[in-house]
Amino acid sequence: GAVVSQHPSRVICKSGTSVKIECRSLDFQATTMFWYRQFPKQSLMLMATSNEGSKATYEQGVEKDKFLINHASLTLSTLTVTSAHPEDSSFYICSATGTSGYTDTQYFGPGTRLTVL
Amino acid sequence: TQLLEQSPQFLSIQEGENLTVYCNSSSVFSSLQWYRQEPGEGPVLLVTVVTGGEVKKLKRLTFQFGDARKDSSLHITAAQPGDTGLYLCAGAHSGNTPLVFGKGTRLSVIA
Repeated sequence: GAVVSQHPSRVICKSGTSVKIECRSLDFQATTMFWYRQFPKQSLMLMATSNEGSKATYEQGVEKDKFLINHASLTLSTLTVTSAHPEDSSFYICSATGTSGYTDTQYFGPGTRLTVL
Repeated sequence: TQLLEQSPQFLSIQEGENLTVYCNSSSVFSSLQWYRQEPGEGPVLLVTVVTGGEVKKLKRLTFQFGDARKDSSLHITAAQPGDTGLYLCAGAHSGNTPLVFGKGTRLSVIA
């Protein structure tokens, strides 16, 4: 149980284009989803917290107009990187917490490797 | 800022050796999670500890939550090359709030 998927797993795009990453909880309802960014050989950096049906809460320094987050249902959240630039290249990971079991426990998706040329 | 100090940051050991990773904080956590992450993949949950003083075992891995719920340790017995990876501890203050992550311990087990 507690499986989280992400799509796509890898994406390469040209500078200036927008990229959408999907995060789905497959076997549980995710009341809250989190989006992280991870640079090589570093820990996870929280970008934003997203609750179903409400606006995301962004961490300091994260541009909400650049990283659009939508959490339209209890099983799906999307992160759109708008007008991507090479410095946005990174490993993006989502996680989700559910409505049963340990509500503190976050289950992570497999990540999306974004490369902006 | 709530910090979770994780040490050591890097560890390279021979197969068969034992090791311990520590996570310490001045904050009290409602629970603490340990994850293992391999390159190019998302973190995989190993264990959640909730009760102060709790000890959980997962084969050769032993996890302990401090009595005051401010610190935790991960002990690996007889490490194997398959244990190689990034180990992350993460503390939770309440349900659905962001986890506080340690900086990770990059473990390399050499055959």
